[in-house]
Amino acid sequence: DTAVSQTPKYLVTQMGNDKSIKCEQNLGHDTMYWYKQDSKKFLKIMFSYNNKELIINETVPNRFSPKSPDKAHLNLHINSLELGDSAVYFCASSPSGTGSGNTIYFGEGSWLTVV
Amino acid sequence: DAKTTQPNSMESNEEEPVHLPCNHSTISGTDYIHWYRQLPSQGPEYVIHGLTSNVNNRMASLAIAEDRKSSTLILHRATLRDAAVYYCILRESAGGTSYGKLTFGQGTILTVHP
Repeated sequence: DTAVSQTPKYLVTQMGNDKSIKCEQNLGHDTMYWYKQDSKKFLKIMFSYNNKELIINETVPNRFSPKSPDKAHLNLHINSLELGDSAVYFCASSPSGTGSGNTIYFGEGSWLTVV
Repeated sequence: DAKTTQPNSMESNEEEPVHLPCNHSTISGTDYIHWYRQLPSQGPEYVIHGLTSNVNNRMASLAIAEDRKSSTLILHRATLRDAAVYYCILRESAGGTSYGKLTFGQGTILTVHP
């Protein structure tokens, strides 16, 4: 069973479109994250939710809106896609974010290409 | 955010041990040292973590300097499947505004030769 699953794995779309990436974890974790890996391979955190509450919101354009319907799901919606949004987006989860020793589990990534 | 410094790349031969160094001179007393790796076209994968004492698990060993300003990830016998980018990360205490997030650096690209 996949612990952290993301859909879709690959997404090619045109500039200006709106798209969503879904994420689900079956680990019973309280905290979920979205990370972005750009073409230079840098991994940067975008958002984090703890028990459906937003706790980390890095400097991300307003076009990106995370939604957590329950603590097992954290979806990422992107409006008005731009070429620079092309990247790999990783969802992740961990036990309560208050434990620095806790392990974070990552999904396999969603490859977004904006043309 | 606490920072780490790693070599950009390292090479090893199969079946040989690999020592991946990491410097973190600004580490605070409550920061855990985490190591993750990212295989090609996959998400990051947890390897090991520690606070003060050396740690061993089935994947690797983590040697932490006494002053905690550096650490070394040890792969005892490298295999071709160990070729990946290895990230040394200081996971900050969640008591402040960081909420225990992982801040990735550039990592070390490990190449394993047959």
